[in-house]
Amino acid sequence: SQQGEEDPQALSIQEGENATMNCSYKTSINNLQWYRQNSGRGLVHLILIRSNEREKHSGRLRVTLDTSKKSSSLLITASRAADTASYFCATVLTGGGNKLTFGTGTQLKVEL
Amino acid sequence: GAVVSQHPSWVICKSGTSVKIECRSLDFQATTMFWYRQFPKQSLMLMATSNEGSKATYEQGVEKDKFLINHASLTLSTLTVTSAHPEDSSFYICSARTPGGWGQPQHFGDGTRLSIL
Repeated sequence: SQQGEEDPQALSIQEGENATMNCSYKTSINNLQWYRQNSGRGLVHLILIRSNEREKHSGRLRVTLDTSKKSSSLLITASRAADTASYFCATVLTGGGNKLTFGTGTQLKVEL
Repeated sequence: GAVVSQHPSWVICKSGTSVKIECRSLDFQATTMFWYRQFPKQSLMLMATSNEGSKATYEQGVEKDKFLINHASLTLSTLTVTSAHPEDSSFYICSARTPGGWGQPQHFGDGTRLSIL
């Protein structure tokens, strides 16, 4: 089955609120990445966290990784309407070459 | 930097037609590119890994004779959907990894929406 499962599948919040998305995976990873996809477009890389890291920040984004629970979370603080998109986690498996295995994705809608 | 261009962005054609999609890395060399397929409101499924100068590596269940991949240069990979049928209609996305070993992110094209009538 697919490596990554994300929840929630869909999330609707008001502008200014924080959005948290979770990702779980099943096997050992080299790193985990988060991507954003606007409707009908390609993916944009947001942040990469390695298996030996626990937390990373980039602007309004905060990613955590718990390898013991095989899970990661993406927090977007002070959300904006422009953050409306689908967000995917993707893992590079240990010994899996450079292939990305994508999660199911979370559709985020930020309303004014 | 790290721009990937995909062309065309939208194709509509008749059943039985072969369609070629191009993926170019504009400002870096990519020895490896990836082709994905995405159905509406679903995740990306890796179809194949395209290696410059050698044969592509296909994922299980992907017909290599149906989806021909050519990676003739360090900046260009092509995916040809041969004798396309309505069930091949989908959103196809390519990506390329920037050089630098492990842990480099992939950079994605904007995708090609393929509609077979």
